[in-house]
Amino acid sequence: QVQLQESGPGLVKPSQTLSLTCTVSGGSITSGGYYWSWIRQHPGKGLEWIGYIYYSGSTYYNPSLKSRLSISLDTSKNQFSLKLNSMTAADTAVYYCARVSIGAAGLDYWGQGTLVTVSS
Amino acid sequence: QSALTQPASVSGSPGQSITISCTGTSSDVGRYNYVSWYQQHPGKAPKLLIYEVTNRPSGVSSRFSGSKSGNTASLTISGLQAEDEGDYYCNSYTSSSTLGYVFGTGTKVTVL
Repeated sequence: QVQLQESGPGLVKPSQTLSLTCTVSGGSITSGGYYWSWIRQHPGKGLEWIGYIYYSGSTYYNPSLKSRLSISLDTSKNQFSLKLNSMTAADTAVYYCARVSIGAAGLDYWGQGTLVTVSS
Repeated sequence: QSALTQPASVSGSPGQSITISCTGTSSDVGRYNYVSWYQQHPGKAPKLLIYEVTNRPSGVSSRFSGSKSGNTASLTISGLQAEDEGDYYCNSYTSSSTLGYVFGTGTKVTVL
């Protein structure tokens, strides 16, 4: 059974960089056929794609976040990470990591989500 | 890339059937059979209900079914139960964005 778990700070100051890590167990992030993705949900709002990465290192970013965003892999730890810089209050959200099954285009496994609040 | 359009809310009585629509364009829902649906309960992560328009993952109740016609995909919940109350989101592959995927606006389902 594949499991994903987000980790990182729950509070970030304005203008700082958010760093989140997703640890994958029960499966390898170097397996083809999957994208490893980040999705967020602002309080009381809908789901928003942040971006995703393939095991080859190819990345796909939400154009609205692209200038501030970096997603990377750490294959030695079976983890992938998100860095979002120049954080503002508008980035306050629950951040989820999830696996995309490419063939089915479905997000089949999700982390529990982590609330990130941007405040001084 | 704008979000796919879903009704803000849908309600029904226990035992009834309800349908949630997800309207896109010829660049996403209308072009690809890569529509998926998710259920989200308060404070929980979304759960995959339907992928590739009509397919259910193992363990998902057969009361959930998906379909598509033109630029609109639909999720039908049959035999509505109290536990079905929550938020539902569609997602589609899209050629309109370098990102490749787009979520729907979300629908709150209320069991009366």
